[in-house]
Amino acid sequence: QQKVQQSPESLIVPEGGMASLNCTSSDRNVDYFWWYRQHSGKSPKMLMSIFSNGEKEEGRFTVHLNKASLHTSLHIRDSQPSDSALYLCAASRNSNNRIFFGDGTQLVVKP
Amino acid sequence: DPKIIQKPKYLVAVTGSEKILICEQYLGHNAMYWYRQSAKKPLEFMFSYSYQKLMDNQTASSRFQPQSSKKNHLDLQITALKPDDSATYFCASSQEPNTEVFFGKGTRLTVV
Repeated sequence: QQKVQQSPESLIVPEGGMASLNCTSSDRNVDYFWWYRQHSGKSPKMLMSIFSNGEKEEGRFTVHLNKASLHTSLHIRDSQPSDSALYLCAASRNSNNRIFFGDGTQLVVKP
Repeated sequence: DPKIIQKPKYLVAVTGSEKILICEQYLGHNAMYWYRQSAKKPLEFMFSYSYQKLMDNQTASSRFQPQSSKKNHLDLQITALKPDDSATYFCASSQEPNTEVFFGKGTRLTVV
């Protein structure tokens, strides 16, 4: 059974601060990881994807992946109030069409 | 300009009735999905289709039946509705399996 665990459940950071979100898959056969962001009342939208070990940076967002431990993390520097949203980690295997999502981390950036 | 159109946006249904949720995508994608999101359960994978063929079904109940009449069309028929079915149902698509998934705006279903 493919499962994705995210932590923390919720996170409050001050404006301009760093937010760090974690995600681990319990499926040893996972090949792909994604991070999605969902603002309240809206649909999820992909932020970043990472498929190989290492780090990937896009603007204020950085993702890390350690495939050996099946752990990925998302870091948001210089957090803005507009970053307040539910952050969803997703994972899938190359061998099937299921993309499973974690429960999410609710991020609040306080001005 | 929405590229994945879901209808209706809101739906109220009586327990025991049947409803069809409509989804069309204009992204030229080959894979389509249904997800469900409620307060009790987070974003939950239901079905995946690729080139109009059912690839995966993670929904235990046969009350949920996807229907694909055209490549860019994936409806969801729900029969014998229960209050527990109340949720937002998201249709989604991707170019191919395991590529970026794009979500529609969702249909919020309330079963009374």
